[in-house]
Amino acid sequence: KAGVTQTPRYLIKTRGQQVTLSCSPISGHRSVSWYQQTPGQGLQFLFEYFSETQRNKGNFPGRFSGRQFSNSRSEMNVSTLELGDSALYLCASSIDPPGQGHNEQFFGPGTRLTVL
Amino acid sequence: GNSVTQMEGPVTLSEEAFLTINCTYTATGYPSLFWYVQYPGEGLQLLLKATKADDKGSNKGFEATYRKETTSFHLEKGSVQVSDSAVYFCALTTTYSGAGSYQLTFGKGTKLSVIP
Repeated sequence: KAGVTQTPRYLIKTRGQQVTLSCSPISGHRSVSWYQQTPGQGLQFLFEYFSETQRNKGNFPGRFSGRQFSNSRSEMNVSTLELGDSALYLCASSIDPPGQGHNEQFFGPGTRLTVL
Repeated sequence: GNSVTQMEGPVTLSEEAFLTINCTYTATGYPSLFWYVQYPGEGLQLLLKATKADDKGSNKGFEATYRKETTSFHLEKGSVQVSDSAVYFCALTTTYSGAGSYQLTFGKGTKLSVIP
């Protein structure tokens, strides 16, 4: 069974641009979460989706948005990029609805975003 | 709110040495506790988990016991190998009535280097 896939793996943008990152969960998984990883702040929760609905959102500005499609694939978008948005963006999927089951999440390899 | 505190790294050990990485937490509700590992250039992999007090999670020679009285979940391994070199993250989720979520709260991570 294929794992969580994220595209692209690496991305370089300039300040002010926008970017869209994609995540395909493990087949059959309907919950998708996004995290930002930086050396200074560590791993921080961005959003969580289940059945195309955002179930939970972290403390990030409105420039960060996301969505989930009917096939459970998810995208996140960052508009008006800032230097501080440079990070590894990780996607995780789970088979259970949020908060149920054993809460086991499977992470993808991440997308490394560099903002110049 | 939820928080996880784990020992600062980096930690450097010789092969076959004993490993302990301390982790303590504060949480509302009833947390499930996790250890994740991140190898260079990769996403996070679930190493082990415990979902209730006194549970012991174990995998690949690593162990951690959920201690509610001390709010701790220390990671241990009796004999580390060079291949264990990675960054280790302690994390938790909480599930409480009407607010199911997979949101993980992570510690800052501890970098382990094992030398031959």
